[in-house]
This record gives sequence, structure tokens and C-alpha cells, in this order.
Amino acid sequence: DADVTQTPRNRITKTGKRIMLECSQTKGHDRMYWYRQDPGLGLRLIYYSFDVKDINKGEISDGYSVSRQAQAKFSLSLESAIPNQTALYFCATSPRGQETQYFGPGTRLLVL
Amino acid sequence: AQSVTQLDSQVPVFEEAPVELRCNYSSSVSVYLFWYVQYPNQGLQLLLKYLSGSTLVKGINGFEAEFNKSQTSFHLRKPSVHISDTAEYFCAVSLSGGYQKVTFGTGTKLQVIP
Repeated sequence: DADVTQTPRNRITKTGKRIMLECSQTKGHDRMYWYRQDPGLGLRLIYYSFDVKDINKGEISDGYSVSRQAQAKFSLSLESAIPNQTALYFCATSPRGQETQYFGPGTRLLVL
Repeated sequence: AQSVTQLDSQVPVFEEAPVELRCNYSSSVSVYLFWYVQYPNQGLQLLLKYLSGSTLVKGINGFEAEFNKSQTSFHLRKPSVHISDTAEYFCAVSLSGGYQKVTFGTGTKLQVIP
């Protein structure tokens, strides 16, 4: 079984809809991250969390919110989706004191 | 703040030929450097990383990279590529010490031609 899972894997939604992307991990890592990937732009950090009570904005947090429901779960919400939020979204984890990040398989989101 | 540049967006190479994927970074302080690989329809996985010590770093699948501080580079190399190496490769940098945000490059698509 995968250590970092993301649901759904694919999602199509309409402008203005609220959607939630979910991430779960069985690695026991404290730190979790949300990135978006756009062609030609690489990965950009949306939010990150060091533990359940520690959530921080990344470089492109506008239009997004997150919830760390438990050590193993980190959800990303788009309160009112817009077309330029169409992208591939990745969740990642890392253990405290280590620099390597472990990525989920991604969620492909299309906002019409 | 640190930055990383991958000048080549696509690199085609014939099977069994050598390949070098270029990465340059910008930072005024010590950094950690990474190469991640993304196979089609998958997430990223770590190929190798430089934290300190030997400037030649060996990773998985026969890849290696050399940290060159004077040229602020961390190029990725493989002496003989396989079809299975077809993927997108991301260079990444973070400042050393404690938690530091990781900045990813824009990626290089390696296309191995049979």
C-alpha cells in the first residue's frame, strides 16, 4: 500500500464550487505539505504544517485553505474554485529533522 | 531567498548514451540540494541529495550529481540511459539548517529514444 495517498485522483468542477482534496499518510511523519504543479512552473508550495497545531502559508496560499485533522491527515480546500486553479496538486510529507520529502501520486484538478 | 534554474526544459537522448541535466542555484548562504524524479502519472521521488561532505553524490538508478560551489551548480549525470529513465527531473534547493522551504526548479523532461 502507498505511504502517502491522495483522494480523489482526478476531479472536474465548476467555477465557484467548493472542493476539498484529501491527503493521508502512514509514514508517521510530523510534517505535511501541499504543492501545485503547473507546466513550465515546477512545484509551488501552497501550505505546510509541522504538526496538528502548526499550519503555515506557502508562496501561493491565496484562494486556498487547509485543515490538519490529525497527524496523518492534511486536507486542502478551494473555497470558490476558479479556472486558474486548474493544476496537478501534490501532498508531501517529511519526518522531523530530515530534508527529504515523500510525495503522494497527485490529484489532477480541472476547473471549468 | 534561494532560487534554482533548470535551463533545459526538454532533453532528448538515445538509449545507452550519456546524459547531463543542468541545474544552477542562487544563494548567499549554505544550501542543501536535491534531485527528484517524476515518472508519468506519479508523484516525485528522491533521486539523490547533497547536504554536506563529498561533492560527488550517488543516487538511485545509476544517477550521480556533483556539487560545484564556485559555479553554483548541481548537474545530474548518468553514463548510459535506459528507456525506463524517461521522466521529468526536478532540481531543488533549500537553505541549510533547521526547516527551510524547498524551492523547486521548473523541471527537465528527459526523453530516451530507442
